[in-house]
Amino acid sequence: GENVEQHPSTLSVQEGDSAVIKCTYSDSASNYFPWYKQELGKGPQLIIDIRSNVGEKKDQRIAVTLNKTAKHFSLHITETQPEDSAVYFCAATGGYQKVTFGTGTKLQVIP
Amino acid sequence: EAGVAQSPRYKIIEKRQSVAFWCNPISGHATLYWYQQILGQGPKLLIQFQNNGVVDDSQLPKDRFSAERLKGVDSTLKIQPAKLEDSAVYLCASSVTGGEYEQYFGPGTRLTVT
Repeated sequence: GENVEQHPSTLSVQEGDSAVIKCTYSDSASNYFPWYKQELGKGPQLIIDIRSNVGEKKDQRIAVTLNKTAKHFSLHITETQPEDSAVYFCAATGGYQKVTFGTGTKLQVIP
Repeated sequence: EAGVAQSPRYKIIEKRQSVAFWCNPISGHATLYWYQQILGQGPKLLIQFQNNGVVDDSQLPKDRFSAERLKGVDSTLKIQPAKLEDSAVYLCASSVTGGEYEQYFGPGTRLTVT
């Protein structure tokens, strides 16, 4: 089955700096890669996604890149703000619509 | 639009007892997911429904866990009997359909087994 690895597990950045979270996946059939943000006591919420026919996607301060050959994708947050502090999960959707989540990255933005 | 509703929000039980969780997805969403999220880990898919049929339950411990989605709308997840290692947050999510569609998550039910 699909295996999604995510790094780092924790990340601290100064407010205004950039943050990068990286994920790798194993199933070459995976074709949809969402990123979710989870705040304390809440369910995950989609912040951006990318499909296998696209190499990069940007939405304001958030961008995601995908390298299908290397089977890795990354989340980039620029100009970080304290409200960006949360746990971020990558995920991969492969064969039979199965979604596999990464282990999460706890991001702390220091004011 | 109303989000995914789950109840209860918290539950404490003793091992070997049974427990049930309820989920009401967003109206019109055909796909419903149940996830188990152990503290410090990512959500692990337990079962995925498409309308009232099961798409994937490969990671559901079927000796103790069961789930149903009667009429293709709301769903219940049951654990009987519970073990200490079942302590986790149980998340319900729904999407328009499976695959490349955004999943909308409920707030989760935090289960503590003592």
